[in-house]
Amino acid sequence: EAGVAQSPRYKIIEKRQSVAFWCNPISGHATLYWYQQILGQGPKLLIQFQNNGVVDDSQLPKDRFSAERLKGVDSTLKIQPAKLEDSAVYLCASSFDRGNYGYTFGSGTRLTVV
Amino acid sequence: AQTVTQSQPEMSVQEAETVTLSCTYDTSESDYYLFWYKQPPSRQMILVIRQEAYKQQNATENRFSVNFQKAAKSFSLKISDSQLGDAAMYFCVRSQGGSEKLVFGKGTKLTVNP
Repeated sequence: EAGVAQSPRYKIIEKRQSVAFWCNPISGHATLYWYQQILGQGPKLLIQFQNNGVVDDSQLPKDRFSAERLKGVDSTLKIQPAKLEDSAVYLCASSFDRGNYGYTFGSGTRLTVV
Repeated sequence: AQTVTQSQPEMSVQEAETVTLSCTYDTSESDYYLFWYKQPPSRQMILVIRQEAYKQQNATENRFSVNFQKAAKSFSLKISDSQLGDAAMYFCVRSQGGSEKLVFGKGTKLTVNP
């Protein structure tokens, strides 16, 4: 089966600019996650979707970050305006049954804010 | 906060030898999942092994096995017959709550010496 697709692979922007990341999960996976991985740390959950509804966005900085999952399939994560501390790898993951069968991750987008 | 602790930021092993990576976690839940994920420089997070907390039997996947001590909240990973391709960042991960979001440790960087 095809894996979790993410784009772009790399992005460099200036602070205060906006950026968007795209994720297409594995077909049939109802749950989709966005994680932020700062260099040298483990990933931290930003937002979790179940189909097209938000399950958990408690750690999403809502003043600058937004995410949507229209039609319950692919998802977009946006940052506007970006700050230097947003430099990180943004990982998308999906699961079939809330993790009972494991989670599949994409290769991530490395964002550098200068 | 319910955390996952990996006390070894870096480990090294000789090719063909055995290495054990340590992990402890904190939880108030009785049923949860534990995982070890591997992240090579390509950034792809790859599932190594999975353990269901209600199962007493330690999980095994080929050269990878775990020592799961539920009462001690310990979940170590043993890699036997280490190969050069095992070199990567290894994350200990716990699922949390009914939403099944993942909580990551900070990771252990494993180097395999030829």
